[in-house]
Amino acid sequence: GESVGLHLPTLSVQEGDNSIINCAYSNSASDYFIWYKQESGKGPQFIIDIRSNMDKRQGQRVTVLLNKTVKHLSLQIAATQPGDSAVYFCAEKPRTGGGNKLTFGTGTQLKVEL
Amino acid sequence: EADIYQTPRYLVIGTGKKITLECSQTMGHDKMYWYQQDPGMELHLIHYSYGVNSTEKGDLSSESTVSRIRTEHFPLTLESARPSHTSQYLCASSESGAASGNTIYFGEGSWLTVV
Repeated sequence: GESVGLHLPTLSVQEGDNSIINCAYSNSASDYFIWYKQESGKGPQFIIDIRSNMDKRQGQRVTVLLNKTVKHLSLQIAATQPGDSAVYFCAEKPRTGGGNKLTFGTGTQLKVEL
Repeated sequence: EADIYQTPRYLVIGTGKKITLECSQTMGHDKMYWYQQDPGMELHLIHYSYGVNSTEKGDLSSESTVSRIRTEHFPLTLESARPSHTSQYLCASSESGAASGNTIYFGEGSWLTVV
């Protein structure tokens, strides 16, 4: 079936550097994408979302880029801080059917080194 | 911050016991979900509900059952727990409507260990 997968299971960055977390999706019918942050022992927390009619969206210190041509999604975190250490999931929703059911990828562990 | 609560947060029970994981949300969301997540793995949808008296099986087969008698409450029950049920169970909710209903908010999760 369709799947959403992440390129790297673990990403280590120095504090203050920018982080880029990548996600590949295979469902060309997806029209909505979300990035979640999950800290250890907690539930996923919404970070930022983007619709398929956009290619970039910015939030506070975070930017999501969507490349529909190659079915690729990325999350950029500026000036990474120790509090950013967590697992990051991308999730996608198809344009038709399925209601609000999201398909999640495996997740990328972001480790911020001091 | 989402107002969705799960209890218990952590539970260790013996094989064969019946357990109900509670989930409540105070946001008035029509849609609610249960996801199962093993450590370091992706989330898998096991149940969802689009409103009162509406429940559906998710993408991952589960021996658990759910009920939706009230909008704010979506409990999950395991009639006879087994070690294979050991996992984290995450409850979530979202609004209805195409304009605002896409973001799903999660609770903190319930860690279940069956021994």
